[in-house]
Amino acid sequence: AQTVTQSQPEMSVQEAETVTLSCTYDTSENNYYLFWYKQPPSRQMILVIRQEAYKQQNATENRFSVNFQKAAKSFSLKISDSQLGDTAMYFCAFMGPYGGSQGNLIFGKGTKLSVKP
Amino acid sequence: DTGVSQNPRHKITKRGQNVTFRCDPISEHNRLYWYRQTLGQGPEFLTYFQNEAQLEKSRLLSDRFSAERPKGSFSTLEIQRTEQGDSAMYLCASSGPGQIYNSPLHFGNGTRLTVT
Repeated sequence: AQTVTQSQPEMSVQEAETVTLSCTYDTSENNYYLFWYKQPPSRQMILVIRQEAYKQQNATENRFSVNFQKAAKSFSLKISDSQLGDTAMYFCAFMGPYGGSQGNLIFGKGTKLSVKP
Repeated sequence: DTGVSQNPRHKITKRGQNVTFRCDPISEHNRLYWYRQTLGQGPEFLTYFQNEAQLEKSRLLSDRFSAERPKGSFSTLEIQRTEQGDSAMYLCASSGPGQIYNSPLHFGNGTRLTVT
């Protein structure tokens, strides 16, 4: 069974600085999909960035980028120029090949990120 | 696109009572998911619908839980004879149309259930 591990329960960063959130996963599949979701306090979860395992190029979305290391089964999220609005729980998630088992996601336990002014 | 809507936002109930939650997905989405999130944990998959068909149920979904999606539109999740261990945030998500791996999940705000 696939598992997702986020080893940093909480992190903090000063506004405008860069922070990296870690995620490792375990799977025997060769093709799969990885995601980072953001859950602000009392607000809905939203997709931050996604990565297809068959693509070697790391995904980027504005200030958000990933470092995908397939051999190491590592998928870290880098947030550049951190903003107060980035304060949230961040969840790493895995989806198996061809949508896995009907497309359901396997989530890590999350990292609580606080951006300080 | 008004997003995924869930009602109620909060529900407090006594142990042994039945509760029902509703989810209205994004209108053009054909896939609908229910997840449960407890404190300090990531969401855990409960069940999945494609249109009106319930195609998968997690082993987490005991016999006291039932979900429906009549006519492939809104969905309801009912918990019978609630237990304190059912206290959690229940999240609904929808996606589609198109290939599953190209259609990210859109989540609602969730229904927080407290069983006293």
